[in-house]
Amino acid sequence: EPEVTQTPSHQVTQMGQEVILRCVPISNHLYFYWYRQILGQKVEFLVSFYNNEISEKSEIFDDQFSVERPDGSNFTLKIRSTKLEDSAMYFCASSVGPSQETQYFGPGTRLLVL
Amino acid sequence: AQSVTQLDSQVPVFEEAPVELRCNYSSSVSVYLFWYVQYPNQGLQLLLKYLSGSTLVKGINGFEAEFNKSQTSFHLRKPSVHISDTAEYFCAVIVTGANNLFFGTGTRLTVIP
Repeated sequence: EPEVTQTPSHQVTQMGQEVILRCVPISNHLYFYWYRQILGQKVEFLVSFYNNEISEKSEIFDDQFSVERPDGSNFTLKIRSTKLEDSAMYFCASSVGPSQETQYFGPGTRLLVL
Repeated sequence: AQSVTQLDSQVPVFEEAPVELRCNYSSSVSVYLFWYVQYPNQGLQLLLKYLSGSTLVKGINGFEAEFNKSQTSFHLRKPSVHISDTAEYFCAVIVTGANNLFFGTGTRLTVIP
């Protein structure tokens, strides 16, 4: 069964450093998402991406964040200058269509900013 | 704006007992409703979803949920739980026309042998 994969599974970085989190969505999916879950809190939406552009983003997704689909398979989340409060589990998801279509989640990348 | 409330942060239940995990939502527009499960050290997996039609929705692993529009609830139930059901359960909504899931705070179900 196809699945969403994410790399790395864990990342430790120093405050102020740039990080890139990578995701490989399910191959025939057209909609891509990033969510995050700060430890002990709920899962929060960051951004959705369709047709090579951002379709929706939350207040969390400020200028420090960017997303890209650099080739036909990868979907990346970049944090330009990490802050302590960026420490969280980051989940990538993909779906074949919008809205009511099921979003399939990857296993997550745990980011720790020191 | 929408909100999702999961009233119980933790639910312990004995093996083979029934369980209900509660979810209430509020939204000024219509929504689609979802239950996701997160097993330890794994991502989120869809259990079931309500889009329209019959208010009783059956999902994977023997779970079901009932949409109650008047009470704005979407409670998750299972008649007999197994040890393997121990996990975090998240209720979520998508406003029709939008793409972002809006999650509740989660309920940790612990099945006791």
